[in-house]
Amino acid sequence: GENVEQHPSTLSVQEGDSAVIKCTYSDSASNYFPWYKQELGKRPQLIIDIRSNVGEKKDQRIAVTLNKTAKHFSLHITETQPEDSAVYFCAATAGNEKLTFGTGTRLTIIP
Amino acid sequence: GAGVSQSPSNKVTEKGKDVELRCDPISGHTALYWYRQSLGQGLEFLIYFQGNSAPDKSGLPSDRFSAERTGESVSTLTIQRTQQEDSAVYLCASSRRQGGTGELFFGEGSRLTVL
Repeated sequence: GENVEQHPSTLSVQEGDSAVIKCTYSDSASNYFPWYKQELGKRPQLIIDIRSNVGEKKDQRIAVTLNKTAKHFSLHITETQPEDSAVYFCAATAGNEKLTFGTGTRLTIIP
Repeated sequence: GAGVSQSPSNKVTEKGKDVELRCDPISGHTALYWYRQSLGQGLEFLIYFQGNSAPDKSGLPSDRFSAERTGESVSTLTIQRTQQEDSAVYLCASSRRQGGTGELFFGEGSRLTVL
């Protein structure tokens, strides 16, 4: 089955700086890679996703890149703001199987 | 309802008792997941239902855990003879698409405390 590794487990960045979270996956058949954000005390919510037919996707200050050859994908947050503080989870699936999550990254934005 | 509904929101029980947690997915969602999240930890996969296919039970930690779902409706997660290490938030999520390629909508979770 799929195995997803996520790094770092914790990340602190100064407000306004960029944050990068990286994930690797094991199943070369995986073709869908979403990112979820979980604010303190709340449920996880999808913030961005990418499919294997593209290498990059952007949505305002958030972007995700995918390297299928190396089997890794990354979340980039630019111009970080206090409300970006949360736990971020990456995930991967080959489509016909369950979604497998990484272990999460706790991002803290320092004012 | 508009979202995934879970009940109870909080459950305190004594060690050794059985508990049942309920999840009402969004209408029409064929995929349903149960996850467990201990304080400050990640999303531990428990079980995955996809339509009428046999569920993926590979994440259930022991035979004290079981789950059922009838068709594309309500699911119940049962924990028998609860232990203190079962204390966690149990999250349910549903998705409209087969497999994991659709957005997962999570419920608020059921917080279980085993004394």
